Amino acid sequence: EPEVTQTPSHQVTQMGQEVILRCVPISNHLYFYWYRQILGQKVEFLVSFYNNEISEKSEIFDDQFSVERPDGSNFTLKIRSTKLEDSAMYFCASSECAQGCEQYFGPGTRLTVT
Amino acid sequence: KQEVTQIPAALSVPEGENLVLNCSFTDSAIYNLQWFRQDPGKGLTSLLLIQSSQREQTSGRLNASLDKSSGRSTLYIAASQPGDSATYLCAVITYNFNKFYFGSGTKLNVKP
Repeated sequence: EPEVTQTPSHQVTQMGQEVILRCVPISNHLYFYWYRQILGQKVEFLVSFYNNEISEKSEIFDDQFSVERPDGSNFTLKIRSTKLEDSAMYFCASSECAQGCEQYFGPGTRLTVT
Repeated sequence: KQEVTQIPAALSVPEGENLVLNCSFTDSAIYNLQWFRQDPGKGLTSLLLIQSSQREQTSGRLNASLDKSSGRSTLYIAASQPGDSATYLCAVITYNFNKFYFGSGTKLNVKP
């Protein structure tokens, strides 16, 4: 069964460093998303991406964040200068269509900023 | 802004019990509602998707209902098993935005 994959599973970085989190969505899906979950808190939406551009973003998704689909399979989230409060689990998701379709989530990348 | 609430926050039951998890949302203009399972330190596994025109969906021992007008959904788990122990999350997408709003989850423990 097709699935969303994410790498790495765990990333440790120092404050101020740049990190890139990688995702491979399900191959026939057109809509891509990033969410995050700070330990003990709700899953929060960060950004949605369609047709090579951001379709929506939350107030969390400031200038420190960017997303890219560098080739036909990968979808990346870059955090330019990490802060301690960026420590969280980051989930990638994909879907075939917009609101009416099921979103499939990857296993997540645990980001620890020290 | 859409707010999603799940009650109870935690639930511990003996194996074999039927149980109900509740999800409520403040904005009834939702496009669909999805129930997920999350195991500790792991990702989200989709359980059931209910579109706004539907009232319920079933998969095996799971049945989810949706009442848009009252802003509620329930997830019914029949004959619970220890392997059902996990956190159950509900999430809604509204008509205006293509993003999920998640609840805080119900942490379920099924005792053998």
